[in-house]
Amino acid sequence: EDKVVQSPLSLVVHEGDTVTLNCSYEVTNFRSLLWYKQEKKAPTFLFMLTSSGIEKKSGRLSSILDKKELSSILNITATQTGDSAIYLCAHNYGQNFVFGPGTRLSVLP
Amino acid sequence: GAVVSQHPSWVICKSGTSVKIECRSLDFQATTMFWYRQFPKQSLMLMATSNEGSKATYEQGVEKDKFLINHASLTLSTLTVTSAHPEDSSFYICSAAAGGGPGELFFGEGSRLTVL
Repeated sequence: EDKVVQSPLSLVVHEGDTVTLNCSYEVTNFRSLLWYKQEKKAPTFLFMLTSSGIEKKSGRLSSILDKKELSSILNITATQTGDSAIYLCAHNYGQNFVFGPGTRLSVLP
Repeated sequence: GAVVSQHPSWVICKSGTSVKIECRSLDFQATTMFWYRQFPKQSLMLMATSNEGSKATYEQGVEKDKFLINHASLTLSTLTVTSAHPEDSSFYICSAAAGGGPGELFFGEGSRLTVL
C-alpha cells in the first residue's frame, strides 16, 4: 500500500527556533517527493526531490531526500511567525500523488 | 510556474441544489487532474483522479454519483456536487499534473462550498 507518514503532526516553537519536519513513504515506482506549505488556501510548492542526498535550499528552508531510508526532512532555521502553516509532504509515483497528514507548525512570537 | 485556476472560490447554495466547480490549467496541458476535499485542520483527502477523455477514478468511500467529475479537455476538469447537503460543506481543491517525467502538482486556489 502506498502511504506517506509525517511527524510530528503538530509542533509549537518560538521565533528563532530551528525545526525539522519528517516525512517517510512506502514506495512503488518512485518518481519524486514533494513538499508544500499550506496557509489559508491552497498549498504552495516548496521543493521537489528526486535524487538522494542532494539538499535543496530556499532561504531559511532546506530539504533532503534519503531514498535508502524512504524518507525526507524539511528544515526551517530561524523560524518566524510567518512560517506558521501546515507542511505537506507528497509522494509521486506513476501518475499518482499521495499526501501525508501534514505537520501543523505554529511559531509563537 | 504553471497556473491552475479554480472557480468559484466561494459558493453558498441551498440544500438540494447542485454546484459545479471548475478547474483550469492556464498555461499547460494537464493530462491528469486531481480533486481533493479538505476539512478544517486536516490534510488533503483525495477524492478522485481524472484523466482527459476517460472516466474518473474515485477513491474508496467517495460516491461517484454524488461527486460528478468531467475532464473533457486537457485544460479543464469540473467537479459537480449533486443534490448538495450541509455535510458536503467543505474546501475543495483541484490540482493538475503536466505528465511526462517527475513533476510538481499545480494547485488551484480552492473552492469553499457552504451548503445551507
